[in-house]
Amino acid sequence: EVQLVQSGAEVKKPGESLKISCKGSGYNFTNYWIAWVRQMPGIGLEWMGMIYPGDSDTRYSPSFEGQVTISADKSINTAYLQWSSLKASDIAMYYCARGLSGSYVSPSGYWGQGTLVTVSP
Amino acid sequence: EIVLTQSPGTLSLSPGERATLSCRASQSVSSNYLAWYQQKPGQAPRLLIYGASIRATGIPDRFSGSGSGTDFTLTVSRLDPEDVAVYYCQQYGSSPRTFGQGTKVEIK
Repeated sequence: EVQLVQSGAEVKKPGESLKISCKGSGYNFTNYWIAWVRQMPGIGLEWMGMIYPGDSDTRYSPSFEGQVTISADKSINTAYLQWSSLKASDIAMYYCARGLSGSYVSPSGYWGQGTLVTVSP
Repeated sequence: EIVLTQSPGTLSLSPGERATLSCRASQSVSSNYLAWYQQKPGQAPRLLIYGASIRATGIPDRFSGSGSGTDFTLTVSRLDPEDVAVYYCQQYGSSPRTFGQGTKVEIK
């Protein structure tokens, strides 16, 4: 069974760094793109970017490029989303999602449970 | 970047009625790489439809997708109370992938 298990909720202060994780299991982690999706409180879904763990090929949405870093460690089947300096506007639920197929063009067929990030002074 | 506009914003219908949700793209969606997701309150999104009209595994046949180019539709043939959710379309044929703003489906 394909599973994506994300790290737990985080409460941070503005200016702090953060790295959240998404661990895949039940499939060959290196062969499927993993995307990150932001959902701000009461708002819709925003695609942030994606990574191919096999070679770490990474694509970002222009809206998020330079604001976050997406990475992966294929030795432990885990993808990451990190911030170097959090802002109040980063408060959101963050989902990781795996492609339905191994193709570059694939919908997100499997989703993690989400990681809630709170930023408060 | 392809902008997806969904309508209506909210749909309020009675059980058993037909729900028709629209997703319009600012430019043609490559090879109909258009997906629909369902997000129930407090849950992660779930893939319903991909390739504009292919139901994902385990999705009831009352859900159907249609359309091509810039105009796409998700139809729920007979609305069930468990279908209360926000529905999002997404194009995955070009980068950046983009989502519509969502349509909220309520039961009267």
